[in-house]
Amino acid sequence: GAVVSQHPSWVICKSGTSVKIECRSLDFQATTMFWYRQFPKQSLMLMATSNEGSKATYEQGVEKDKFLINHASLTLSTLTVTSAHPEDSSFYICSARDVGNRRAGELFFGEGSRLTVL
Amino acid sequence: QKEVEQDPGPLSVPEGAIVSLNCTYSNSAFQYFMWYRQYSRKGPELLMYTYSSGNKEDGRFTAQVDKSSKYISLFIRDSQPSDSATYLCAMKLPHGGSQGNLIFGKGTKLSVKP
Repeated sequence: GAVVSQHPSWVICKSGTSVKIECRSLDFQATTMFWYRQFPKQSLMLMATSNEGSKATYEQGVEKDKFLINHASLTLSTLTVTSAHPEDSSFYICSARDVGNRRAGELFFGEGSRLTVL
Repeated sequence: QKEVEQDPGPLSVPEGAIVSLNCTYSNSAFQYFMWYRQYSRKGPELLMYTYSSGNKEDGRFTAQVDKSSKYISLFIRDSQPSDSATYLCAMKLPHGGSQGNLIFGKGTKLSVKP
């Protein structure tokens, strides 16, 4: 089946540094990928929609200058958390929809990346 | 009132029990309903999806949607320790918005004891 890979799965960084998380669709092409954030015991919250070859669409309240998204190819989207602070510590998850799959709402999720900012 | 309400649990059952997981929602326009399973520190994986009202069965899992009551359920028969995970309900409007704009419940943490 379709697989979405995220890297790194764990990252610890110092406050003020930037962290890049990659999301790859391994066996299908994805014109659109999605980035979520999940705090402990909370729902997945959509942060932004990543569109191949164009600018990402951010959800209300998400700072586009802080969470930089790049979708340079049909199989790769990256999320860069710039000048990270402890409050950015969270579980970041990406998902992608196989363009050949017409089932509504069937997204394939990555394994998630746990960010801890010291 | 939040759009999707889900009891976070935790829910603990013995092996072999029938498990009932539920979500309620407030937006009557939702048409697509999904259940995801999320193991600890992993991404969610799709278990079941249903369009509009009705039941859907897949092995030991049955999903039910009651749009009149704005209530969806996931039943797990003959539960196994490997079913221990957090179960998230999700729903989506029929038109507009991105495919990623699913509205998720908080998830119910299930533990099946051997």
